[in-house]
Amino acid sequence: ELKVEQNPLFLSMQEGKNYTIYCNYSTTSDRLYWYRQDPGKSLESLFVLLSNGAVKQEGRLMASLDTKARLSTLHITAAVHDLSATYFCAVDLGSSGSARQLTFGSGTQLTVLP
Amino acid sequence: DAGVTQSPTHLIKTRGQQVTLRCSPISGHKSVSWYQQVLGQGPQFIFQYYEKEERGRGNFPDRFSARQFPNYSSELNVNALLLGDSALYLCASSSVSSTDTQYFGPGTRLTVL
Repeated sequence: ELKVEQNPLFLSMQEGKNYTIYCNYSTTSDRLYWYRQDPGKSLESLFVLLSNGAVKQEGRLMASLDTKARLSTLHITAAVHDLSATYFCAVDLGSSGSARQLTFGSGTQLTVLP
Repeated sequence: DAGVTQSPTHLIKTRGQQVTLRCSPISGHKSVSWYQQVLGQGPQFIFQYYEKEERGRGNFPDRFSARQFPNYSSELNVNALLLGDSALYLCASSSVSSTDTQYFGPGTRLTVL
């Protein structure tokens, strides 16, 4: 059974600071997603990482994937209040080209303090 | 372009009742997946349909069923509702290309009393 573990589960950080969220998973996969969820809302896609060593950046967020270590990171640079949300990583267990079955981590609830 | 749409947005049912949730994917997307998100947890995979065929099923009881229609829209049915079925039900669509992602709809909030 695939397990996806995120840490930390809760993160309070000051505006302007940097921090990293970690996502470890237990089974080989070369497709990993990061999503953002605001309270009471649905999931917003942030990044799709499709190969070992993949790195993607959007604004103050940068995601990377190490398939050999089964680890993905989401790095936050110079945090601002608007980044406050819950962040989920998800690993795709789909067994064939058209199969898509995401297993999500428990989420990291990020609060950026002024 | 319209995103993934779901209906209804909110639903209140009592134990033992049955419920049907509906989802329309992004135009051109042939894959629809359903997830259950209990408050404070990550979403859990229920079903995936592609080209009207079931391609994946999560660890949910047989009370949960789904289907996909020729226009790629989908329904999720839950019979004999339990209190524990109270959750946000999310539908996601994708194009299943090699670089695709899954795009989530706004969800249906189901409350079972």
